Amino acid sequence: DARVTQTPRHKVTEMGQEVTMRCQPILGHNTVFWYRQTMMQGLELLAYFRNRAPLDDSGMPKDRFSAEMPDATLATLKIQPSEPRDSAVYFCASGLTSAKNIQYFGAGTRLSVL
Amino acid sequence: SQKIEQNSEALNIQEGKTATLTCNYTNYSPAYLQWYRQDPGRGPVFLLLIRENEKEKRKERLKVTFDTTLKQSLFHITASQPADSATYLCALDLLKTSYDKVIFGPGTSLSVIP
Repeated sequence: DARVTQTPRHKVTEMGQEVTMRCQPILGHNTVFWYRQTMMQGLELLAYFRNRAPLDDSGMPKDRFSAEMPDATLATLKIQPSEPRDSAVYFCASGLTSAKNIQYFGAGTRLSVL
Repeated sequence: SQKIEQNSEALNIQEGKTATLTCNYTNYSPAYLQWYRQDPGRGPVFLLLIRENEKEKRKERLKVTFDTTLKQSLFHITASQPADSATYLCALDLLKTSYDKVIFGPGTSLSVIP
C-alpha cells in the first residue's frame, strides 16, 4: 500500500532550536509539496518540488525555513531557529505531474515550539 | 484580492439527507478544481477532480458541480452517513507557465447525525 511517510509524527522543542522534518514520497512520484496547517490560516503551501528541483518556495519564510530534496526518496524541511509561531501541523504530499496534480498526503508532523 | 471561501460554519445534517458544501473563489482562473476529505489527525485525502469545461462529475454518492461563471463549486453527498463526518477541502489547480499551483480553501466541517 503506497503512502507518503513523514517523520517524526510529533515534535516538541524549545524556541531557538533547529527542527528537521522528513518526508518519503510515494515511489515514482515526481512532485513533492510541503504545507503548514493551522486553525487560523488553514493549509498553506510552503514549498513545491518537481523532479527534485524547487519550483516555488514563495510561501516559506526564507530567513528561517529551508526545504531540500537530497534524493528522490527524501524531502526535508528545516526550521532554524524555531519560534512559537511555527507551531502547526506540517504536511508533505507527493504526486505525478501527469496526474492533474492530485496530491497524496502524509499523516503530518505536529510541531510545538515552547 | 484572491480568495477561496467555503461554508463559513460547520454543517450538521441528519443521516440519510443530502449534504451540500460550497466553494467560492475570486480572482482565480483554475484549470481544475479538486475536493479532499480530512479526518482529525490525518492528512487530506483526494476525492474528486473536475475540469473547467465540465459541469458535473459523479462518483458513487458524491457529486461535484463547477460553474466558472459564478466561480463556484458545489459538493454533494447523497444518502449521508455518520462515516461521512469530516472536514472537506476544495482546492484550485492554477496552471502557470512552468508549473501547476494548488491552492486550498479553509475547509468545511461536516457532521452527520445518526
